[in-house]
Formats: sequence, C-alpha cells, structure tokens
Amino acid sequence: GDSVTQMEGPVTLSEEAFLTINCTYTATGYPSLFWYVQYPGEGLQLLLKATKADDKGSNKGFEATYRKETTSFHLEKGSVQVSDSAVYFCALSDQRGYGGSQGNLIFGKGTKLSVKP
Amino acid sequence: EPEVTQTPSHQVTQMGQEVILRCVPISNHLYFYWYRQILGQKVEFLVSFYNNEISEKSEIFDDQFSVERPDGSNFTLKIRSTKLEDSAMYFCASSTSGGRNSPLHFGNGTRLTVT
Repeated sequence: GDSVTQMEGPVTLSEEAFLTINCTYTATGYPSLFWYVQYPGEGLQLLLKATKADDKGSNKGFEATYRKETTSFHLEKGSVQVSDSAVYFCALSDQRGYGGSQGNLIFGKGTKLSVKP
Repeated sequence: EPEVTQTPSHQVTQMGQEVILRCVPISNHLYFYWYRQILGQKVEFLVSFYNNEISEKSEIFDDQFSVERPDGSNFTLKIRSTKLEDSAMYFCASSTSGGRNSPLHFGNGTRLTVT
C-alpha cells in the first residue's frame, strides 16, 4: 500500500544553518504531497503542498519539490530560526475512498527539529 | 483565522470505560476526520465522515469505535470499552471538500491515557 518514509530525527541545528529533511513515498496513483508542522503543544498545521510532478511548494522560507522520478519531496530551508523548532511530517493523499472523502492522509513518522541560538 | 477545537486536551480513563472525545470543526467545512498518534509512532488515519455518514475507515476503526455529528457543530469520537493500547493523541480534522488537494485543518488534539 501507499507509504511515506522520512528521515529519523531528532535533527539539531544552529540558527541560520541550512535544513534538509528527506521524504520519499510509494503510491500506486498520482498523490498530492504535503508537509505538516507541529509546534510544541499544538496541532498539525499545513506548511506547504504540491499536487503534481515538478511542482514546488513554499511557505515561510521552506520549500519542497515534487520529484516523481525519485519519488521524493524533501523539505529545505536556507536559514533556520529558533522558532522553526517543531516536528515536521511528510504526508501524501491519493485517490481513494468510496464516493466520499478522498482527502485521507498517510503520514510519515515525523522528524523533530531543534534549532539552537 | 477559524480553527478546529478539541476538548478535553487530556483525558484519563480506566480500561473498559467508555470515553467520548469532542471536536468542533471549522463551520463551513463538510468533511471530518479522526486521526491518532501513539507516542513515538506515525499519525494514523481512523475515519472520515461526510453527509452524516462514514465515508471511509481504517482497520484500526473497529466495532469499539463510533463517530457522530449530534448537532450542527460537534463531531465526536466514542470508544466504547477502552483498552490500554488506545492510549494515544487523537486529532480531529476538517476540510472544505473531500478532494485530495483540499488541505486538512487539524485541532490541537486530545491526549487519551488509559490506565
């Protein structure tokens, strides 16, 4: 079945360092891909998304490009801040369901990022 | 910005007891979901709900689980007889449509502890 694999954490960086969190997926169809972020004590928030191959999602300085040839959707940021400390989840949504919801998400395990000043 | 709200934030219950987790989705959303995250593990899909009926459910969502939209605003998850392995963070989510491009808006979660 469909699945998402992301790099194990935790990841610890100094402020202004470059961030990459790897994410690869397996899917039978043509999924949409998402990155969600969970700040301490809060719920999951959509960070960015891409709906087809070669699309680039971006938000708050984060970027990820939908690479069909490598089935990847790696998250990058050029210069992290302490406020970026959170858990980051890669997820996919594929066509499924029985005439109803087709927006069910399959998540990776999450990668905890800690940014030190 | 409108948000999904969940209550309580933390629920402790004894094994075998019934528990109801409550959620108020965003008011103009039509699709509702429950996910759970066992500590240290993946966020897992439980169930989706549309037009007052279950659209899809996972293998986890067995006969012990049920969902209901008792009025125009609340969306509840009931676990009839809790087990130790039901201890997890439960997230409610809603979306405007069921399309795969429609982002889900999540609540802050209810941490359920079964003792």
